[in-house]
Amino acid sequence: GAGVSQSPSNKVTEKGKDVELRCDPISGHTALYWYRQSLGQGLEFLIYFQGNSAPDKSGLPSDRFSAERTGGSVSTLTIQRTQQEDSAVYLCASRLAGGRYNEQFFGPGTRLTVL
Amino acid sequence: DQQVKQNSPSLSVQEGRISILNCDYTNSMFDYFLWYKKYPAEGPTFLISISSIKDKNEDGRFTVFLNKSAKHLSLHIVPSQPGDSAVYFCAASGSSSNTGKLIFGQGTTLQVKP
Repeated sequence: GAGVSQSPSNKVTEKGKDVELRCDPISGHTALYWYRQSLGQGLEFLIYFQGNSAPDKSGLPSDRFSAERTGGSVSTLTIQRTQQEDSAVYLCASRLAGGRYNEQFFGPGTRLTVL
Repeated sequence: DQQVKQNSPSLSVQEGRISILNCDYTNSMFDYFLWYKKYPAEGPTFLISISSIKDKNEDGRFTVFLNKSAKHLSLHIVPSQPGDSAVYFCAASGSSSNTGKLIFGQGTTLQVKP
């Protein structure tokens, strides 16, 4: 389809392991965001990519979290040495460039469970 | 510090009646507000937005009202339909950020009963 896709849809891992989450934005969307939603909470901003500019990493909760965006398209969010508090739904969103108020389109999310 | 708050975790209304979802914010630098709707196992979808220079925006059955002095906004759905049952998130964007990143409330689960 033409929407934002994320993989895997579900990930169960053991505490201390590394995980990698993937996001395929809508073709042509230059802005890409990662958010996470912990149980009973709203979405929390993690990181923002815009074209070739330096990403805004201000929302990353610790240095165990990192993300990259290769070729201005696909993005991966990596969590090293996972902890139980990392359990959440991780959502990716993309939007067209040209205005920060442009609608963000969200993917279905990856549900991460850290045992 | 929760900058955007939705104090009602849930709301139940009868089909055909009005649904009113509320949202409060603390940061006066927010200049754009949005409502997103989320079904289970899906990502949020954009519903309606309002700029801080306006106090009302209407789109079909959905109207958003903004009261800047009270730092409060509300979403009205009239008439409510069973298909409107979902989690509704209020979100805000600040003029101090040029990234368009959104600050979300905790969400309100709306149930519309047939």
